[in-house]
Amino acid sequence: QVQLMQSGAEAKKPGATVRVSCKASGYSFTEFDVHWVRQAPGQGLEWMGWMKFNTGRTVSAEKFQGRLTISGNTSISTAFMELSGLRSDDTAVYYCARGRIYFGEYDFDYWGQGTLVIVSS
Amino acid sequence: DVEVTQSPVSLPVTLGQPASISCRSRQTLDYSGGNTYWNWFQQRPGQSPRRLIYRVSNRDSRVPDRFSGGGSGTNFTLNISRVEAEDVGVYYCMLGTHWPPRKTFGQGTKLEIK
Repeated sequence: QVQLMQSGAEAKKPGATVRVSCKASGYSFTEFDVHWVRQAPGQGLEWMGWMKFNTGRTVSAEKFQGRLTISGNTSISTAFMELSGLRSDDTAVYYCARGRIYFGEYDFDYWGQGTLVIVSS
Repeated sequence: DVEVTQSPVSLPVTLGQPASISCRSRQTLDYSGGNTYWNWFQQRPGQSPRRLIYRVSNRDSRVPDRFSGGGSGTNFTLNISRVEAEDVGVYYCMLGTHWPPRKTFGQGTKLEIK
């Protein structure tokens, strides 16, 4: 069955960089895309960006441009989200979700369990 | 980005009664080519979001048929025909475009049992 397994919680200091991984299983990794979404404590969902693995194309939400790097290693079916210049308001749970551009039936159909990132001095 | 407004913020419902959640975009968008679409998600306490509806009205296979989605123009809705205890959680709409990839979530609606 389709699964997205994310890396464990992280505690970072302001200004640092965090890297979260998302390992996919149960489907052909390169035929699908990955979205990254975050959720601050007690808040709603916020889309961060997307990657299409068979082309390497990425798009980041304007808010995160310059700080967000989305990548993937197809040999281990794993996506990565790297956020730099961390601030306290980056404290959130970060989710990966499966997608497939132009195929709405696969858009956000499976989600990872979430990774808590705490930014504090 | 297109602004999305979701209402209500809080939705107390009696078991067995219907419920409806609305999302609205500030501007009329072109849905004819399929590039723009709406999804609906449920997030139960302590869990990851779960997709309920995609492309306005298509229900996911694992989702009970008491959930339905609809709408057109600038107004889109998620309806629950008879609320059950397991429906407690926060519901989000999402306005998406395939290209360029842009996704905007609504503010969320917290459904609770009266």
